[in-house]
Amino acid sequence: AQSVTQPDIHITVSEGASLELRCNYSYGATPYLFWYVQSPGQGLQLLLKYFSGDTLVQGIKGFEAEFKRSQSSFNLRKPSVHWSDAAEYFCAVGAWVTSYDKVIFGPGTSLSVIP
Amino acid sequence: GAGVSQSPRYKVAKRGQDVALRCDPISGHVSLFWYQQALGQGPEFLTYFQNEAQLDKSGLPSDRFFAERPEGSVSTLKIQRTQQEDSAVYLCASSATSGGDIRGDTQYFGPGTRLTVL
Repeated sequence: AQSVTQPDIHITVSEGASLELRCNYSYGATPYLFWYVQSPGQGLQLLLKYFSGDTLVQGIKGFEAEFKRSQSSFNLRKPSVHWSDAAEYFCAVGAWVTSYDKVIFGPGTSLSVIP
Repeated sequence: GAGVSQSPRYKVAKRGQDVALRCDPISGHVSLFWYQQALGQGPEFLTYFQNEAQLDKSGLPSDRFFAERPEGSVSTLKIQRTQQEDSAVYLCASSATSGGDIRGDTQYFGPGTRLTVL
């Protein structure tokens, strides 16, 4: 069955420091992978997505993610974190179901940013 | 509208009451999804519509949950005889296409409805 794990429940980083959020997935076929961000009171916003091709994907707000098939990972990175990046981050995999993608989300990683 | 809207934003219900949650997707979007997000968890799939057709309702937790999208635009998620375990944020998302060769089409999420059952 398809699944997503995010090993870190909560991460705290200092503003200006680099960030890496871990994500591992389980999916039998070619995965379609996503990272979403959820700020308090806001809906989920897509940061980036991977389908094929270059395994390093650039997203919005300076985020990037790298797909590593051998490790079944899709880690999210940002070189310099801003206070406004504090939010909940969700990794997700798209599982094809006949005619559409059922998106399966991980449990999320909560990011706190220290000024 | 510019994005997906949901109403009400907050709903408090007494156990046993029926509730109806509304989703207005982005105009013209074919696909519509409902998710349930428990506190501290990621969203979990409930059901999927392609236009007015409900193609997948495998995630609905019980027969107390019912969703419809009669005209292929606005959707309503109804929960009958609410229970405390129904307390969660209910998210709606829409996407432009119905799949085919468009894999991983971006889903645009609404702000959610926070349901609290007392």
